[in-house]
Amino acid sequence: KQEVTQIPAALSVPEGENLVLNCSFTDSAIYNLQWFRQDPGKGLTSLLLIQSSQREQTSGRLNASLDKSSGRSTLYIAASQPGDSATYLCAVSSQGGSEKLVFGKGTKLTVNP
Amino acid sequence: KAGVTQTPRYLIKTRGQQVTLSCSPISGHRSVSWYQQTPGQGLQFLFEYFSETQRNKGNFPGRFSGRQFSNSRSEMNVSTLELGDSALYLCASSFVAEPGYGYTFGSGTRLTVV
Repeated sequence: KQEVTQIPAALSVPEGENLVLNCSFTDSAIYNLQWFRQDPGKGLTSLLLIQSSQREQTSGRLNASLDKSSGRSTLYIAASQPGDSATYLCAVSSQGGSEKLVFGKGTKLTVNP
Repeated sequence: KAGVTQTPRYLIKTRGQQVTLSCSPISGHRSVSWYQQTPGQGLQFLFEYFSETQRNKGNFPGRFSGRQFSNSRSEMNVSTLELGDSALYLCASSFVAEPGYGYTFGSGTRLTVV
């Protein structure tokens, strides 16, 4: 059964800092990995989608990498801003099992002005 | 382009009642999935529908059910509500039900059972 872990559970940084969020998964047989952002009480906003054949994806200040063989992904946020404060979730679409997406518990990011 | 629309945004129900939540996917999307989010368990997959057929189902009791209409809109129903059903219910749509396509989520329905 696929399991997704995100470390750390919470992170507090000063504005302007570059930071890395980590995601690991137990079964490397995945179709893709997706990073989401969730603001308090809100739905999920898709940030980046990495197919299993890709190594990274970039969007603005965000860069996500995928190492399928080691079961790891990182989300790099450059020059963090207070508006980046949110919970960041990673989710994998696995080749086995019935669940469409398996989510980690998320990393709660706080960027202090 | 309209996103995924979930209604209602908030619901308060009494234990033992039943509830129906609605999800309208992005135009052209035919796959709709439902997830339950709680502080303790995080996000858990409920079920997925494609072309009015349930394709996959998560590990939830039979009190949780759903359906999809010919216009791809989906509803989920929870009968005999329990306090533990209090959660944020999220709907996600995708162009097709095949792997490789990303999912777009709605804003969710916050269900509180008292």
